[in-house]
Amino acid sequence: ILNVEQSPQSLHVQEGDSTNFTCSFPSSNFYALHWYRWETAKSPEALFVMTLNGDEKKKGRISATLNTKEGYSYLYIKGSQPEDSATYLCAFCWGQNFVFGPGTRLSVLP
Amino acid sequence: NAGVTQTPKFQVLKTGQSMTLQCAQDMNHNSMYWYRQDPGMGLRLIYYSASEGTTDKGEVPNGYNVSRLNKREFSLRLESAAPSQTSVYFCASIEDRQETQYFGPGTRLLVL
Repeated sequence: ILNVEQSPQSLHVQEGDSTNFTCSFPSSNFYALHWYRWETAKSPEALFVMTLNGDEKKKGRISATLNTKEGYSYLYIKGSQPEDSATYLCAFCWGQNFVFGPGTRLSVLP
Repeated sequence: NAGVTQTPKFQVLKTGQSMTLQCAQDMNHNSMYWYRQDPGMGLRLIYYSASEGTTDKGEVPNGYNVSRLNKREFSLRLESAAPSQTSVYFCASIEDRQETQYFGPGTRLLVL
C-alpha cells in the first residue's frame, strides 16, 4: 500500500508566527501532488497542484515547494492568522487516483 | 455553476438497510471519486471513475458498489449497511490529475 506521510500531526502557533509542514511521498513515478485546506464541517478546498520538481507556488501568505527526487513537499504559512486554523492535506497522484496523507491540524491562537 | 453536489446531506440507516448516495458535477469533468472520512484515518478512496463508462476500486471498496450513470453523475450504493460504514462520504471530480480536484459538501451517514 502506498504511504503518504505528513508531519507534524498537529501544530499550535501564535497569531503572527510563520510555520511550515511536510508531506512525504514515494519519489518514483511522480505525476502530481495536491495540497488542500480543510476546515471543520466543510469539504476540502484545493490550494495548490504541484507538478514539476522545483515547483514553488504561492497564494497570498501561503506557499508550497516540491522536491520530487527526494519525495517531499513543504507548505509554508507566513504570519499565521486565526482564520488559517484548519487541517492541511496533501494528496499524491497514484495512477488514476489519489492517496491522501493523514493531514496536519493547525491551530492559530489569537 | 453549482460545482459538485451530493444528496442526501445526512442519513440514518439500520444495519442491513440499503441506500444510494448521489453525486453530480456540472464542470464536464472526466474523473469522479468517492472518499470516506473517518477520525484519524484522513480521506480514503472507495471507488473512482476515470472516465464515463469505467469504474475501479480504490483502497476500501468492500461493501460498496458504484455506477457512473453518465458524465455528470456518479452514485455510491450500500447494499447492506453495517455500523462500520458510519462515516462522512465525499464525492469529488477533476478534469485532469494535474488540475484542481473539487469536492462536494459531503454526506454524513450513521448506521445503527
